[in-house]
Amino acid sequence: GAVVSQHPSRVICKSGTSVKIECRSLDFQATTMFWYRQFPKQSLMLMATSNEGSKATYEQGVEKDKFLINHASLTLSTLTVTSAHPEDSSFYICSARSYDRYEQYFGPGTRLTVT
Amino acid sequence: DAKTTQPTSMDCAEGRAANLPCNHSTISGNEYVYWYRQIHSQGPQYIIHGLKNNETNEMASLIITEDRKSSTLILPHATLRDTAVYYCIVEFGNQFYFGTGTSLTVIP
Repeated sequence: GAVVSQHPSRVICKSGTSVKIECRSLDFQATTMFWYRQFPKQSLMLMATSNEGSKATYEQGVEKDKFLINHASLTLSTLTVTSAHPEDSSFYICSARSYDRYEQYFGPGTRLTVT
Repeated sequence: DAKTTQPTSMDCAEGRAANLPCNHSTISGNEYVYWYRQIHSQGPQYIIHGLKNNETNEMASLIITEDRKSSTLILPHATLRDTAVYYCIVEFGNQFYFGTGTSLTVIP
């Protein structure tokens, strides 16, 4: 149980375009979902927290207009990187938590490359 | 900011127990300690969590000191597939803030 998927696993896009990453909880209802970013040889950095049906809460320094997060249902959250730049190239990882569990379950990650 | 400190790296012989320490001296009374690991280019994998009592599951054991200021993750019989970065996390609010973790290398 407690499986989280992400799609796509890898994406290459051109500078200036937008890309959407999906995060799904496959076998549980995720009342809260989280988005992280990880640069090479660094730790995970929390970007934002979203509760189903509410606006996401962004960490300090994360541009909400650039990283659009939607948590439309209890099993799906999306992260849209708008007007992508090469410096947005990173490993994006989501996690999900249900109302009755303490732990977060992480997706496999999405490797974004902006050319 | 992460509320934990861990050694940067450790080695362990295959088949032996791996003991990974973590300091969390500013932990509050109702904050849990979580352990995850990340194998290269994958999402973190949940291992175990605890509040004040020692915990054991099929993957590992978690020993939390009585004052809760530190903990140790124990992998009882390390295998080569346990080579990964291990993160000790104390939740802050509803969020996880990852520290730098310990890079564990299991040596044949």
